[in-house]
Amino acid sequence: DVVMTQTPLSLSVTPGQPASISCKSSQSLLHSDGKTYLYWYLQKPGQPPQLLIYEVSNRFSGVPDRFSGSGSGTDFTLKISRVEAEDVGIYYCMQSIQLPITFGQGTRLEIK
Amino acid sequence: EVQLVESGGGLVQPGGSLRLSCAASGFTFSSYSMNWVRQAPGKGLEWVAYISTSSSTIYHADSVKGRFTISRDNAKNSLYLQMNSLRDEDTAVYYCARSSAWRNWFDPWGQGTLVTVSS
Repeated sequence: DVVMTQTPLSLSVTPGQPASISCKSSQSLLHSDGKTYLYWYLQKPGQPPQLLIYEVSNRFSGVPDRFSGSGSGTDFTLKISRVEAEDVGIYYCMQSIQLPITFGQGTRLEIK
Repeated sequence: EVQLVESGGGLVQPGGSLRLSCAASGFTFSSYSMNWVRQAPGKGLEWVAYISTSSSTIYHADSVKGRFTISRDNAKNSLYLQMNSLRDEDTAVYYCARSSAWRNWFDPWGQGTLVTVSS
């Protein structure tokens, strides 16, 4: 299985400050079709996960531009340029290049 | 509005069976692949199963293979998860989630249905 390792597992951020979450995969997520199958989701309290970023760096429809994704191969980062109160929740990275689809452990973001 | 609504969860004894359903609306169900993802209480996300548009491609996680079966009825706009030989560790909220194809992202997700396996 492809192991997805997120760091940190929790972070506390002052509103208006940036935040960054790392996700490392045990194998390259670059497929022979040229796509990199790495996604980011946010699970707000009491809600199902919602898609933020697809294929490393593409913001999903309706996602604020303060969210950005970057990386390649096995090393990926989600950045929030200025954290807002509504960003609280658990962030998960996910890979789908190989069965089984696997998720990172999650990173809990709280507001200071 | 695109909507997925799960049902069928509940309390079941170890070794028992349960069938989850996911009712889809607001989109052409037959044009999308579907998935089940679960989340144990206070834990992270675990992908469970995938089914393609025509049911020609089906995948299950090793943890449920041989016990759970994903299926769909495009005429009824519904997705199913038949769960047999349930174990304590199957206790979780089960979400259905849409994807446009294998390897593509999951969106949207349903609100989930809780399955509790306990004696």
